[in-house]
Amino acid sequence: AQTVTQSQPEMSVQEAETVTLSCTYDTSESDYYLFWYKQPPSRQMILVIRQEAYKQQNATENRFSVNFQKAAKSFSLKISDSQLGDAAMYFCAYRSGMGGGSEKLVFGKGTKLTVNP
Amino acid sequence: EAGVAQSPRYKIIEKRQSVAFWCNPISGHATLYWYQQILGQGPKLLIQFQNNGVVDDSQLPKDRFSAERLKGVDSTLKIQPAKLEDSAVYLCASSLRRGTGDTQYFGPGTRLTVL
Repeated sequence: AQTVTQSQPEMSVQEAETVTLSCTYDTSESDYYLFWYKQPPSRQMILVIRQEAYKQQNATENRFSVNFQKAAKSFSLKISDSQLGDAAMYFCAYRSGMGGGSEKLVFGKGTKLTVNP
Repeated sequence: EAGVAQSPRYKIIEKRQSVAFWCNPISGHATLYWYQQILGQGPKLLIQFQNNGVVDDSQLPKDRFSAERLKGVDSTLKIQPAKLEDSAVYLCASSLRRGTGDTQYFGPGTRLTVL
């Protein structure tokens, strides 16, 4: 079974600075997807960024970028120019790309990000 | 485009009572998921529907939990009877198609407290 590990329960960053959240995963599959979701206190999970395992290029979305190291099974999220609105729980998630089966997201335990003014 | 809708947002019940949650996915989304998120943990899949058929319910406690998706649109998740350990946030998500890597979009969730 696939597992996702987020080793940092909490992180903090100063407004306008850069922070990196870590995520490692374990799988024997070659085809899969990785995601970072943000969950503010309102509880709604919001997609931040996604990465297809077959793509070598790291995904970017405005101030958010990932460092995808497939051999190391590492998928970190970098937030540049942090803003107060970035404060939330961040979850790393894995989804199998193998056809025919469940498409469930397997989540890590999350990292609580605090942004200090 | 309207997002995934869920109701109620909050529910408090006594143990051994029953409760039901409702989800309306994004229009046109064929795949629907129910996740359970216990405090301090990431969400865990309970059940996945493709249209009105079940794809994965391997982690659904079938002795007390049931779910249906009649007509392949709205879905209802029921717990009967509830236990203290069922206290959690229940998240509904939907995606456009199965087998394409489409993103799952989440609703605001229902926070259940079992006393």
